[in-house]
Amino acid sequence: ETGVTQTPRHLVMGMTNKKSLKCEQHLGHNAMYWYKQSAKKPLELMFVYNFKEQTENNSVPSRFSPECPNSSHLFLHLHTLQPEDSALYLCASSQQDWTWPLSGNTIYFGEGSWLTVV
Amino acid sequence: GQQVMQIPQYQHVQEGEDFTTYCNSSTTLSNIQWYKQRPGGHPVFLIQLVKSGEVKKQKRLTFQFGEAKKNSSLHITATQTTDVGTYFCAGRWGDYKLSFGAGTTVTVRA
Repeated sequence: ETGVTQTPRHLVMGMTNKKSLKCEQHLGHNAMYWYKQSAKKPLELMFVYNFKEQTENNSVPSRFSPECPNSSHLFLHLHTLQPEDSALYLCASSQQDWTWPLSGNTIYFGEGSWLTVV
Repeated sequence: GQQVMQIPQYQHVQEGEDFTTYCNSSTTLSNIQWYKQRPGGHPVFLIQLVKSGEVKKQKRLTFQFGEAKKNSSLHITATQTTDVGTYFCAGRWGDYKLSFGAGTTVTVRA
């Protein structure tokens, strides 16, 4: 149990489908993140939310749409994806986002959602 | 943007042997974190280094932060099958976001 729960764990979707990934953190953190992990690539930051406000969009295509209704929940809405978007999508949380000068700002990852676009 | 480079990309180790993985930055880091991701799993925080020359140990794992705060290393002694996985370093420069290295994937020969 990581304290960060992601659903679904596995998702297969067609390029014309609309689906959503859900993340919930039970750690009382204020910052939440979406990362993408593809084969042979470093972890890629997608979005950062701090106190429900988006503080970072790392040039992510508009077919990925995040939503953060409160500090504990984060969604990633998916529509008209491409096969190259197939990857492991990791949600994470931390006490504060990295604009906070506190050095001990550890990131806690969820188990991830494996997405396959066909 | 700022990046950390990790070497080697793959490390095949005989059980019982030692190995080291390295993380390098071209500019001074404010801190560096290390994570481990088991096969099929998610990254899990191991440790954070902040001070120049800092050395921290966790059982058979020794983490070092260079004097110039531009590089870091993870040394594992007497490798076990439980050490299998990918080890990521993640560097931070000032108040900028954490940037993950590509990782070192470790396999162990029994």
